[in-house]
Amino acid sequence: AIQLTQSPSSLSASVGDRVTITCRASQDISSGLAWYHQKPGKPPSLLIYSASTLESGVPSRFSGSGSGTDFTLTISSLQPEDFATFYCQQFNTYPITFGQGTRLEIK
Amino acid sequence: EVQLVESGGGLIQSGGSLRLSCAASGFTVSSTYMSWVRQAPGKGLEWVSVIYSGGSTYYADSVRGRFTISRDNSKNTLFLQMNSLRDDDTAVYYCVRDKTTGSYLFDSWGQGSLVTVSS
Repeated sequence: AIQLTQSPSSLSASVGDRVTITCRASQDISSGLAWYHQKPGKPPSLLIYSASTLESGVPSRFSGSGSGTDFTLTISSLQPEDFATFYCQQFNTYPITFGQGTRLEIK
Repeated sequence: EVQLVESGGGLIQSGGSLRLSCAASGFTVSSTYMSWVRQAPGKGLEWVSVIYSGGSTYYADSVRGRFTISRDNSKNTLFLQMNSLRDDDTAVYYCVRDKTTGSYLFDSWGQGSLVTVSS
């Protein structure tokens, strides 16, 4: 199975900061990567798919990039509601797999 | 509006069985791929199983031979039959829908059903 490694595992940031999270795949997954965010006690919510396509209704401060094995999620200006855990997911190769998560906390 | 409502979780002894249900509304379960994804307490996400619109089923290695995914089209409901439960099956189980059939992108999630396996 393809392994996804996210970095950092956690980070602290302030409202208004620009934040970048990376996801590295153990083999080429083309653009078959998605990003989800999850708030405590809630199910995950799809943010970005196909590496860079914003899901409907997701604010434009979120963006994704990358292809092959290296991907990034960028939040241009953190808002209070963005503090959550973020997961990447590859859907290029069966079985689908998720990264271990990145917890974004308020500084 | 798409809605997924899981039920059937609870506390079960190791080696026991449990069946989760996921009642869907706002769309037809049999028209798309439906999966179960689980999350152990404080841990990440793990895909468990999928049922295709055509009825084919697939499983993660960790549950193959013990779990069975199925659906009742007349009730628009998805199921996960879990047998020979182990401690490491303890998790919140989410019922999820593919954004587009076969995409394995999950745009709708249930609220989750907690399964606790105790030895």
